[in-house]
Amino acid sequence: EPEVTQTPSHQVTQMGQEVILRCVPISNHLYFYWYRQILGQKVEFLVSFYNNEISEKSEIFDDQFSVERPDGSNFTLKIRSTKLEDSAMYFCASSVTWGHGELFFGEGSRLTVL
Amino acid sequence: SQQGEEDPQALSIQEGENATMNCSYKTSINNLQWYRQNSGRGLVHLILIRSNEREKHSGRLRVTLDTSKKSSSLLITASRAADTASYFCATDANTGNQFYFGTGTSLTVIP
Repeated sequence: EPEVTQTPSHQVTQMGQEVILRCVPISNHLYFYWYRQILGQKVEFLVSFYNNEISEKSEIFDDQFSVERPDGSNFTLKIRSTKLEDSAMYFCASSVTWGHGELFFGEGSRLTVL
Repeated sequence: SQQGEEDPQALSIQEGENATMNCSYKTSINNLQWYRQNSGRGLVHLILIRSNEREKHSGRLRVTLDTSKKSSSLLITASRAADTASYFCATDANTGNQFYFGTGTSLTVIP
């Protein structure tokens, strides 16, 4: 069964360092998303991406964050200068349709900022 | 914010009992979805109900939607220990292509 894959599963970084989280969405999906979940808390929307550009972003997704689809398969989230409060589980998701269909989530990348 | 709120925050039941979780939201929606999350894992889609539907079934799951009250419920019948997980509702905002997740209900099914 097709699945969304994310790497790394866990990354530990020092505050101020740049981090890139990678995702390979399901191949025939057109819409891509990043969500984050601080440990034990709610799942928060960060950004949605379609046709090689950001569709929507939340207030969390400030200038420190960027997304890119550098090739036909990868979808990346970059955090330029990490802060302690960026420590969270980051989930990538993809969907076939816009806004009305099932989201398929990866297993997440746990980011720990020290 | 459109973000849903699940109720209760935590629920503990005996295996074989039914579990009911509720979700409330704030603005008009196109659809509402329920997801499950095992501890430390990704979210898995369970069921989608459209705004013009009132009830939907999938196996042991039953979802209702009351758009006049802006609320939904998820019923898991004949619960099993393997149903232990967090359950989230997710709504779109009738515009845009993002989904808003609630705070989740943590369900524990005791064998």
